[in-house]
Amino acid sequence: DIQLTQSPSSLSASIGDKVTITCRSSQSISGFLNWYQEKPGKAPKVLIYATSSLQSGVPSRFTGRASGTLFRLTINSLQPEDSAIYYCQQSYITPWTFGQGTKVEIK
Amino acid sequence: QVQLQESGPGLVKPSGTLSLTCAVSGGSISSSNWWSWVRQPPGKGLEWIGEIYHSGSTNYNPSLKSRVTISVDKSKNQFSLKLSSVTAADTAVYYCARGWRFDPWGQGTLVTVSS
Repeated sequence: DIQLTQSPSSLSASIGDKVTITCRSSQSISGFLNWYQEKPGKAPKVLIYATSSLQSGVPSRFTGRASGTLFRLTINSLQPEDSAIYYCQQSYITPWTFGQGTKVEIK
Repeated sequence: QVQLQESGPGLVKPSGTLSLTCAVSGGSISSSNWWSWVRQPPGKGLEWIGEIYHSGSTNYNPSLKSRVTISVDKSKNQFSLKLSSVTAADTAVYYCARGWRFDPWGQGTLVTVSS
C-alpha cells in the first residue's frame, strides 16, 4: 500500500497567516493526490484534486503543488472558518489511502 | 446535484454482520463513477473500505477484504456494504462517497459494535 505521511500533525496560526501542510508519498503517485477538509460532525470535503486543481466552490486561498513525492497544501491568509482537520489522499492505485491528518487551529 | 445518504443499524453485536446502504439521488448510479465506502473510527483518521462500479466490479482494501462485500442495486439506485465478523475495532462513522476524488460524501452514519 502507498503510505502518505503528513506534517505537521497539528498547528496553530493567526488570522491572515500563510499556512503550509505537507504530505509525502512512499512512492510516485503521478500527481494523483487530493486534499480534504474535515470539520467536526461533518463529512470531509474535497478542496484540491490532482495535486493542484481547485474544486468548484473552494476559495482561491487554498492552493496545492508538488515536488516529486512531496505535496503541499497552502492556505494563503488563514480565515476563522479554516479551522479543521486536513487530509491528503492518493488516487493513483488501490487501496486508496489517506494521510493521518493535520489539525489546524486558529490562535 | 448528486447526494448520498447512508442508512442502516447503528448498533451491531460482536461477531455479527454490519450492513449499510447508500442511496444515490440527483443522479444515476450507472454513471461513469466508482462508488466507495470509507470509515473513520472515533477520533481517528480515514480508512477506505472498498468500491463498486455499476457493472458490479469491485475493489476492496486488502486489510478488510476477507470480511467485506459491496454490492449494487441499480433498480433502487443504491449500493450496499456488508462487513462480517465485526469487533469493537469496527466501531466507526461509515461514509459513502463517489469517484476517485471522493465527492460528494454522504453525511455519515455511526455504527457501534457492542453487546
